[in-house]
Amino acid sequence: SQKIEQNSEALNIQEGKTATLTCNYTNYSPAYLQWYRQDPGRGPVFLLLIRENEKEKRKERLKVTFDTTLKQSLFHITASQPADSATYLCALDVEPDSWGKFQFGAGTQVVVTP
Amino acid sequence: SQTIHQWPATLVQPVGSPLSLECTVEGTSNPNLYWYRQAAGRGLQLLFYSVGIGQISSEVPQNLSASRPQDRQFILSSKKLLLSDSGFYLCAWSELVLNEQFFGPGTRLTVL
Repeated sequence: SQKIEQNSEALNIQEGKTATLTCNYTNYSPAYLQWYRQDPGRGPVFLLLIRENEKEKRKERLKVTFDTTLKQSLFHITASQPADSATYLCALDVEPDSWGKFQFGAGTQVVVTP
Repeated sequence: SQTIHQWPATLVQPVGSPLSLECTVEGTSNPNLYWYRQAAGRGLQLLFYSVGIGQISSEVPQNLSASRPQDRQFILSSKKLLLSDSGFYLCAWSELVLNEQFFGPGTRLTVL
């Protein structure tokens, strides 16, 4: 299975700045990679999905990149707002032909201060 | 629109007692269904997933079991809870293999 690494330290950022989170994996290149947001005491909420043949994906103020050579995905929140404060998880397929089985990183907490 | 329900929201159980958590999905047919556990400050651990009625795959050895008696119903059970079973249990569904997962509100289980 994959080993997924996300920054364990919280990312403190000032409102209006860009937050950049990393998701590194160690083994085989996944067919796709997803990012979720999780608020305390709640279930994760899907944000973006990027496939292995895509370099970049955008949705409003969010941008995801996928570098299969570096085995890394970057997640950017531009013009960050206090409402963006949450934990962000990346998820990828566990192994080739894993048929919908996902593995999640431990997540990175983002704190946006006014 | 699709919705996912989990109950109960919180549960406190003594060690050795049985467990039954229920998850139901509305507004879709033949979804993939998942049970995850999240320990405090940790990532999501996939426990079980199901691609159809009666088809359950277990991901980790444990004293938990899962069943799917109906297309949109997924149940997590245990005959005897352990202290290590405490955590936040999340049910999720997806429509296709590669699609995003939609999570329920979760059940906070404390085993004393």
